[in-house]
Amino acid sequence: RKEVEQDPGPFNVPEGATVAFNCTYSNSASQSFFWYRQDCRKEPKLLMSVYSSGNEDGRFTAQLNRASQYISLLIRDSKLSDSATYLCVVSSGGFKTIFGAGTRLFVKA
Amino acid sequence: SAVISQKPSRDICQRGTSLTIQCQVDSQVTMMFWYRQQPGQSLTLIATANQGSEATYESGFVIDKFPISRPNLTFSTLTVSNLSPEDSSIYLCSTRGSYLSYEQYFGPGTRLTVT
Repeated sequence: RKEVEQDPGPFNVPEGATVAFNCTYSNSASQSFFWYRQDCRKEPKLLMSVYSSGNEDGRFTAQLNRASQYISLLIRDSKLSDSATYLCVVSSGGFKTIFGAGTRLFVKA
Repeated sequence: SAVISQKPSRDICQRGTSLTIQCQVDSQVTMMFWYRQQPGQSLTLIATANQGSEATYESGFVIDKFPISRPNLTFSTLTVSNLSPEDSSIYLCSTRGSYLSYEQYFGPGTRLTVT
């Protein structure tokens, strides 16, 4: 079993749609959780951290369920510019960071 | 956040040769990381480079193939040696926002094609 698993997609959604990405992790000792965004032929960039209480940044909402070892990212009112690959990232002690394989999103007009 | 630059941005190399990638950070950082991202895949950590000590390599990566230098707190190089087509990939340099933070920042990557 992979340490971090994501649905690879692709997700094809129309503009304005709401889309949700899920991610599961295997190490119960994991401490920090993130969503990164990677555009085609670009480097990954931090989108948002994920906190136990859940957090929201504009149209983006991230949630963490430690009991189920599950992380989610919700994008509301999708824009064409949201088209990218979204990487789930989990860090445990000892500076070990694991990147998920990513979920591709295509937002169409 | 750190600003990271890499050189070269891309290269095409013949098998059997080597490529050295440079990574420059705009601030002093303790840890620098080198990743590989193969086509359609996620990031795989090659090694962690600390200034003043030898790099720590992940399983499947060895120093003879991927020698790393870390001469100071703002700079590192990764050499990919004895190139084969399987080394064709994007190589990314990364660092953390702070020593206590797990947030990572990446350079723009070096796209290597081995012919």
